Amino acid sequence: GAGVSQSPSNKVTEKGKDVELRCDPISGHTALYWYRQSLGQGLEFLIYFQGNSAPDKSGLPSDRFSAERTGGSVSTLTIQRTQQEDSAVYLCASSLVGYSGNTIYFGEGSWLTVV
Amino acid sequence: KQEVTQIPAALSVPEGENLVLNCSFTDSAIYNLQWFRQDPGKGLTSLLLIQSSQREQTSGRLNASLDKSSGRSTLYIAASQPGDSATYLCAVNPNYGQNFVFGPGTRLSVLP
Repeated sequence: GAGVSQSPSNKVTEKGKDVELRCDPISGHTALYWYRQSLGQGLEFLIYFQGNSAPDKSGLPSDRFSAERTGGSVSTLTIQRTQQEDSAVYLCASSLVGYSGNTIYFGEGSWLTVV
Repeated sequence: KQEVTQIPAALSVPEGENLVLNCSFTDSAIYNLQWFRQDPGKGLTSLLLIQSSQREQTSGRLNASLDKSSGRSTLYIAASQPGDSATYLCAVNPNYGQNFVFGPGTRLSVLP
């Protein structure tokens, strides 16, 4: 596609429910990143995928968070048993190849509100 | 651990002024540094990417410099316009890691 696509753009969920957020990176990009941005805060790294390599999950805040990337393209971020502190915008980004000097491109984000 | 800071946190200037946004990072072992713009309710838009071997990059009214040894980068905006109002973030791509580390951003308001 022309850019990084994320869905849903907005999600309101009840505390304790599971949510899935989807990211469709730019075609041909092998690196995919998930970041979280809470209100008024900076970007917090969550997880990084590079091709078929094992993902870097070092930023996931708890075991309620998981992500997968199927076929080296689309990625899904899953949050189980959501808590109010999970409310944030979840940003996905992709680049041609990771950590090699390529520009990173962001989607518009998925705005999650846990009530 | 790489840490990125940005000064000032917020800036308000009248239209037409030239301005400088600052970014500092603690570890000079980086592949590159990238400046982004974020409009309210939107994702991030890449403005300029500076490789570790470069000193500066220019795009239109924007000029970004990099002094890797001192851990600093500046984003210079010439002849500012109200449409430049946004939050500007810098991010470094560390040599030892694969994720970008972001600063907290500078919120810029250009008044007509």
